[in-house]
Amino acid sequence: DTAVSQTPKYLVTQMGNDKSIKCEQNLGHDTMYWYKQDSKKFLKIMFSYNNKELIINETVPNRFSPKSPDKAHLNLHINSLELGDSAVYFCASSQGRQSAVQYFGPGTRLTVT
Amino acid sequence: DQQVKQNSPSLSVQEGRISILNCDYTNSMFDYFLWYKKYPAEGPTFLISISSIKDKNEDGRFTVFLNKSAKHLSLHIVPSQPGDSAVYFCAAPLYTGNQFYFGTGTSLTVIP
Repeated sequence: DTAVSQTPKYLVTQMGNDKSIKCEQNLGHDTMYWYKQDSKKFLKIMFSYNNKELIINETVPNRFSPKSPDKAHLNLHINSLELGDSAVYFCASSQGRQSAVQYFGPGTRLTVT
Repeated sequence: DQQVKQNSPSLSVQEGRISILNCDYTNSMFDYFLWYKKYPAEGPTFLISISSIKDKNEDGRFTVFLNKSAKHLSLHIVPSQPGDSAVYFCAAPLYTGNQFYFGTGTSLTVIP
């Protein structure tokens, strides 16, 4: 029974398209995150979402928007995709924003052509 | 803005020997550090952590050492096993800015 799941696992799309990545956690956690791992293997936090409070990393373009229909889900919407958006995107969750131990999903490899 | 650095991209060790993975950081505000392990096509999984009030934390075969004056931490795996072959990331949270910094990872290969 997967704790943090993401769909799809792979996503290939063209520049200019809009796409979404879904994330679900069944751990009962109250905080969820999105990370981007770029070609240099840097894992960078993009968003954290806790009790309807969204904290955005200032370097994230506003083409990226997280949507949380409920505590167990945090989906990532990306508008007007660019080549530089190609990366692996990881969803994670934790119990409390101050908890350093996060549980990660398997990742979604996005390729923009 | 690479505040957590792992300068060795890869490491190979014989089974049964010690693996030592290193991590350096630049921000003196960090007060908690973690090591994550990542297998291919999977997300990182938490391995072990250490608070800045300690200089050592041990969990079975895994020990993390922290040298605050040198801004350096290391993960020791003894004895190394083939199943330990993975990418290891060190990480540090900075709660005030909602930041969570990861190193670029060290790929460990344990040779049977």
